[in-house]
Amino acid sequence: EVQLLESGGGLVQPGGSLRLSCAASGFTFSNYAMSWVRQAPGKGLEWVSAITGDGGATFYADSVKGRFTISRDNSENIVSLQMHSLTVEDTARYHCVREGEGAGAGFFDPWGQGTLVTVSS
Amino acid sequence: DIVMTQSPDSLAVSLGDRATINCKSSQSVLRSSNKHALAWYQQHPGQPPKLLIYWASTRKSGVPDRFSGSGSGTEFTLTITGLQAEDVAVYYCQQYHAIPNTFGGGTKVEI
Repeated sequence: EVQLLESGGGLVQPGGSLRLSCAASGFTFSNYAMSWVRQAPGKGLEWVSAITGDGGATFYADSVKGRFTISRDNSENIVSLQMHSLTVEDTARYHCVREGEGAGAGFFDPWGQGTLVTVSS
Repeated sequence: DIVMTQSPDSLAVSLGDRATINCKSSQSVLRSSNKHALAWYQQHPGQPPKLLIYWASTRKSGVPDRFSGSGSGTEFTLTITGLQAEDVAVYYCQQYHAIPNTFGGGTKVEI
C-alpha cells in the first residue's frame, strides 16, 4: 500500500523557519516526482513545490520562491520542505503528494494526511 | 499562470440525480500527446483530496463509474450520475499542463 506520512508541522512565529518531512513507502520512490500542496484553513488548494524523481530539478510557486527549498533522499524515501521567513499567509495544512507515473503525469495520487503549519505571534 | 475557474461554487442535488461541475482553463491544457492535462479530486471534510479523474476523462481504478470526466480545449466537466450520500464533498479541478500546477476554487456538492 502506498503511504505518505508527513511530519514537522507546528506553531512558529512570523519570520521563523520550519522543516517538513514526508516518509514514503509502498512504491519505488525514486521513480516518482513528488510535490507539496497546501490548504489554508477553510480555503482551496495551492501547489507549493515539486521535485523530480532523481532530485535533479525543483520547482516552486512564486509565493514561496526564495524562501522554501524542496529536497529528497532516495536512499531513505523521504522528501522534505525547508521553510524560511514564514508569514501568516503560509499558515496551512501541507500535504505531501506523489505525482503520476511517467513524464508529464502531474496529477497527484495519493495525498498524505498533511501536517499543520501555523504562523502566529 | 493558467487560471482555473470552477462553477458553480456550490450545488444542491437530490439523491439519485445528476450533478454537473464545470471547470474552465484560461488557456489550453492540451499536451502534444493529444491528452488534456486536467484532473479532478474529491475532498471530504477533514480528509485530504482523492484523485477521481486524470487526463480529463480517465477514471482512476476503484472510482465508481458514476463519476465521469469530459471536455476539451479549455472547458471541462465532472459529472456524477446518480448522486449517492457519500458523494457530498468538495470537488476540485487541476491543470498539470504547466507549472505552476493550478487548481480551481472548488465546488461544494450537497444533498
